[in-house]
Amino acid sequence: AQSVTQPDIHITVSEGASLELRCNYSYGATPYLFWYVQSPGQGLQLLLKYFSGDTLVQGIKGFEAEFKRSQSSFNLRKPSVHWSDAAEYFCAVGPMFSGGYNKLIFGAGTRLAVHP
Amino acid sequence: EAGVAQSPRYKIIEKRQSVAFWCNPISGHATLYWYQQILGQGPKLLIQFQNNGVVDDSQLPKDRFSAERLKGVDSTLKIQPAKLEDSAVYLCASSGGLAGEGQYFGPGTRLTVT
Repeated sequence: AQSVTQPDIHITVSEGASLELRCNYSYGATPYLFWYVQSPGQGLQLLLKYFSGDTLVQGIKGFEAEFKRSQSSFNLRKPSVHWSDAAEYFCAVGPMFSGGYNKLIFGAGTRLAVHP
Repeated sequence: EAGVAQSPRYKIIEKRQSVAFWCNPISGHATLYWYQQILGQGPKLLIQFQNNGVVDDSQLPKDRFSAERLKGVDSTLKIQPAKLEDSAVYLCASSGGLAGEGQYFGPGTRLTVT
């Protein structure tokens, strides 16, 4: 069955520290992979996505993620966290075909807290 | 480019009452999605439209939930009658249908059922 696992429910880091949020997926083939961020009271905003090519992808707000096929992982990283990064982060997978059937499967999310 | 619009942003109702949510997707987006996000969980797809046709409604509780997308643009999600467990954020998203495009989300409607 297709699934996404985010092993860390809560993570707390100090401002300026580095960050890595883990994501593992189970899928029948190589999927498209996404990271979304959700600030309190807001909808989900796309941070970055991977579908082919370079396995290290850059996103908005200084985030990057690395696709590792052998580990079925797509971990999100940021070298220096800012207080405004406190939010909930969701990893999602989707099928590699077009036609409007881009159904996404989401992980349960990781809530990030940032200490000053 | 205007994003996905949703209204209302917040709604409080009593159980057994009915409620409706409205969504206007990004202009030109053929695919529209409704998600339910219960506190502490990731979004769960309720229904997916391609233009004005339903692609997937396998997780929609059809005894109380209904949705429509007349004319292939705006969409309405209705709950009748509401239960306590329907308390959640209801997110609308849209996409243009390109492979790997991802989805664009609205701000959501937070529903509290008392």
